[in-house]
Amino acid sequence: DQQVKQNSPSLSVQEGRISILNCDYTNSMFDYFLWYKKYPAEGPTFLISISSIKDKNEDGRFTVFLNKSAKHLSLHIVPSQPGDSAVYFCAAIEDGATNKLIFGTGTLLAVQP
Amino acid sequence: DAGVIQSPRHEVTEMGQEVTLRCKPISGHDYLFWYRQTMMRGLELLIYFNNNVPIDDSGMPEDRFSAKMPNASFSTLKIQPSEPRDSAVYFCASSLAGGFSGANVLTFGAGSRLTVL
Repeated sequence: DQQVKQNSPSLSVQEGRISILNCDYTNSMFDYFLWYKKYPAEGPTFLISISSIKDKNEDGRFTVFLNKSAKHLSLHIVPSQPGDSAVYFCAAIEDGATNKLIFGTGTLLAVQP
Repeated sequence: DAGVIQSPRHEVTEMGQEVTLRCKPISGHDYLFWYRQTMMRGLELLIYFNNNVPIDDSGMPEDRFSAKMPNASFSTLKIQPSEPRDSAVYFCASSLAGGFSGANVLTFGAGSRLTVL
C-alpha cells in the first residue's frame, strides 16, 4: 500500500512558467517531508524539505507547501528552466521514530524551451 | 569525499543466476539504505543498517534477497536466484544519524541497473 502518492506520472511546462508537482500521503504520523530530484543515470539528490509545523518553505525558485488537514503537499518551481527537467520524488518520515524515508512513485517534469 | 559508490553500474544476467550488488557509503555515515526503483512502485526501501546492524528488512521482497554490511565501509545486496521481475535500478544511500532535515540528508549513489533475462 502506497503511503506516499504522486498521482501525476508526468508534467510538461513551458520555460519561464510555474511547475506544480503534487504529493498526497495517508499516514498522519508523518511529520517531515522532503523532495528529491533525479536526473537520468544518477541517484536522487535532496532538493527541499518541510516540517509539519510549517505550511511553507522557500528556497530560491523552489517552494514547498504543506496542507496537513488534506494530507497534501506540493512543490512549486518558479520560473521553470530546462535544467529542471528531471524526475521529482516526494518523501516522508515519522520524525524521531526511525530513519525510514518513504518515497512516492515520482513525477517526470519536462520543461520545454 | 567521493560520495556513495555503487558497483556494478549495469548488470545483465540470466534468470536463476546469483547477483551481487556492492556499495561503499560516505565515510562517517552511520546509516546505510538499499532502495529499489521501479515504474510501478517508485523508490522502495528494501533494508537499512545502523552502525552495520540491520534495523529493518521488512521491505525485502523475498527470501531470495539478502543484504550484509560486514564493516562500516561496505555493504552487499544479493539476489539468489534472480528472476526477470527483479529487473530494476537498485540504489544505495547513506546518512548521518538523527533523522533527516535540511542539514542531514540521505545521499544516494548513482545506482546499479539490473536486467534479468
